[in-house]
Amino acid sequence: NAGVTQTPKFQVLKTGQSMTLQCAQDMNHEYMSWYRQDPGMGLRLIHYSVGAGITDQGEVPNGYNVSRSTTEDFPLRLLSAAPSQTSVYFCASSASPRAGGNTIYFGEGSWLTVV
Amino acid sequence: QKEVEQDPGPLSVPEGAIVSLNCTYSNSAFQYFMWYRQYSRKGPELLMYTYSSGNKEDGRFTAQVDKSSKYISLFIRDSQPSDSATYLCAGTKAAGNKLTFGGGTRVLVKP
Repeated sequence: NAGVTQTPKFQVLKTGQSMTLQCAQDMNHEYMSWYRQDPGMGLRLIHYSVGAGITDQGEVPNGYNVSRSTTEDFPLRLLSAAPSQTSVYFCASSASPRAGGNTIYFGEGSWLTVV
Repeated sequence: QKEVEQDPGPLSVPEGAIVSLNCTYSNSAFQYFMWYRQYSRKGPELLMYTYSSGNKEDGRFTAQVDKSSKYISLFIRDSQPSDSATYLCAGTKAAGNKLTFGGGTRVLVKP
């Protein structure tokens, strides 16, 4: 039971570099999301998707890009990394409400440092 | 002002005591409320899920939602050292997605 798998777990980037955080789920969930967690801020929604080919912005989307070409995968791209993007990133998935989805499952997190 | 507020703690209790955690929220459209537990360097894990106002009990955990006062509570009975973690409350308008989280409360249960 893999659940929600995130890679890499740790990454150090230089300012201006780009990279992609990978997220995959094996539960056939329609809904997937990316959150970032900063000290004292809880988790804040970056982008989300309600199905393949459908994405939308969350609370803090600037500097990030997403696409959803398959049900299983939801990568998060940092276009030009900035120190303000130093954070812990969590990917999440859930079944759609019409499929009875009310539990959002989180991955183990990706720790990103931008220097 | 954040939509969901939590006291950051830490909240320190002796083993066996009742842990009482609270959140307030400002968005009247929230219908679903959750409590997540997060251990250090791990992802959040769903503890309790509640729809609208009322109480829900699951083992040692009880969640309460009072929509009239926009107040969410979690009680942990017979607390154990393994309950030491950060507890996050969250609300959402629709099931399954787009959670708005509080900042989390760190709980320490001392043997």
